[in-house]
Amino acid sequence: AQSVTQPDIHITVSEGASLELRCNYSYGATPYLFWYVQSPGQGLQLLLKYFSGDTLVQGIKGFEAEFKRSQSSFNLRKPSVHWSDAAEYFCAVGAYDYKLSFGAGTTVTVRA
Amino acid sequence: NAGVTQTPKFQVLKTGQSMTLQCAQDMNHNSMYWYRQDPGMGLRLIYYSASEGTTDKGEVPNGYNVSRLNKREFSLRLESAAPSQTSVYFCASSEYTGVNTEAFFGQGTRLTVV
Repeated sequence: AQSVTQPDIHITVSEGASLELRCNYSYGATPYLFWYVQSPGQGLQLLLKYFSGDTLVQGIKGFEAEFKRSQSSFNLRKPSVHWSDAAEYFCAVGAYDYKLSFGAGTTVTVRA
Repeated sequence: NAGVTQTPKFQVLKTGQSMTLQCAQDMNHNSMYWYRQDPGMGLRLIYYSASEGTTDKGEVPNGYNVSRLNKREFSLRLESAAPSQTSVYFCASSEYTGVNTEAFFGQGTRLTVV
């Protein structure tokens, strides 16, 4: 069965600093990978997705992620964080049976 | 453009009570899903409906039932609520079930069972 690990439960970053969120997946076939963001009291919004092709994927709100098959990773990055980026971020992998498996999430706090 | 709408947003139940969570989408999607979100566990799939007229169990179906009322609506029922079902419930929809399809989420229902 597929699984996703997000090693960092909570990250604090200064506004304007760079951000990297880690995601490792376990899946026997070609992975389909997603990053979602959840702002407080809101549902999940898709930031970006990887299906195939270029391993560097651009998303909304200035985020990007890089797929590294050799490391089974799909880390999310943003060069300069804004206060509005404070949220919880979920990595997910699409499974053979069409069910998304989510990681436990990483909460990002942005300090002024 | 409402997207995925869930009702209610908040609910408190007593142990043993029943209730139905409602979900409707206006994107003409074929597939719909119910997830629960618990701290430190991410989202876990309860049930899903690949298309109108079909439903299948997900990862944590025990204690729940679902109904795909029509293409737009997918409800989740708790027949006899238990404190372990205290959670935030999310409904989602996608154009079809496929690993390369994007899911759109509602804003969630926060359920407390006392």
